[in-house]
Amino acid sequence: LAKTTQPISMDSYEGQEVNITCSHNNIATNDYITWYQQFPSQGPRFIIQGYKTKVTNEVASLFIPADRKSSTLSLPRVSLSDTAVYYCLVANQAGTALIFGKGTTLSVSS
Amino acid sequence: EAGVTQFPSHSVIEKGQTVTLRCDPISGHDNLYWYRRVMGKEIKFLLHFVKESKQDESGMPNNRFLAERTGGTYSTLKVQPAELEDSGVYFCASSQPRTGGFGGELFFGEGSRLTVL
Repeated sequence: LAKTTQPISMDSYEGQEVNITCSHNNIATNDYITWYQQFPSQGPRFIIQGYKTKVTNEVASLFIPADRKSSTLSLPRVSLSDTAVYYCLVANQAGTALIFGKGTTLSVSS
Repeated sequence: EAGVTQFPSHSVIEKGQTVTLRCDPISGHDNLYWYRRVMGKEIKFLLHFVKESKQDESGMPNNRFLAERTGGTYSTLKVQPAELEDSGVYFCASSQPRTGGFGGELFFGEGSRLTVL
C-alpha cells in the first residue's frame, strides 16, 4: 500500500476555503484515493473518494492531477464544526485494510 | 438505519484481567474490520472478516487477542490477559463492497476505549 504524506496541522478561519494536499508518490495503477474525517471521541467518517481528475460531493471536492502522485481535499467555506483530523488514504480494492497515517489536524476559529 | 455500534464505550480493567469488546456492524455488511489507536499513535489495522471468515488478521498484535464473528453478524474482540500497552481506543468498521471499482467507504463505530491499569 502506498504511503501518504500530509501536513500535520492547519489553521483556518470560518468562511475560508481550506485545501489539504496529500502526497502519495508510490501510488499504484489500481489504487484509489480516499479521505476520512475524524472528530474527537468518534470513529473516522468517509468524506470523498476518487481515482483521477476531480470529484465533488455535498461536503468537499477532491482534485487529483494526471500523475496521481498527490491529491488535494478542498473544503469550501469551513465552519467551526469542520475542526477535525483529516486522513488521506490509498487502497487498491474494496476489502483491503486501510492504512491510516497521522492525518492533518484542521483547526477552524472564528 | 442504525450505524455501527460498539460496546462498551469505555472499559477500565486491571492488568491481567479479561475484556471482551463487541461490534454490531450495519445490517447486511459482509466486511467487518477492527482497528485500534494506542495512545499517541496512529490508527492501526487489526483484522478483517468477510462474513464469518477471517480474511486478514495480519494486524493482530499477539495471541492475547482473539476475534470472532460467529454467524457472520456481530463480532467480539477479546483481550486475555490484558496488558498496560493494550490501552487505547478500539474501532470497528463495516462495509459492503460495490460492484466495479473500489468500495472504500468504511463505516466506523464510535470506538471502545480500553484503559488497563
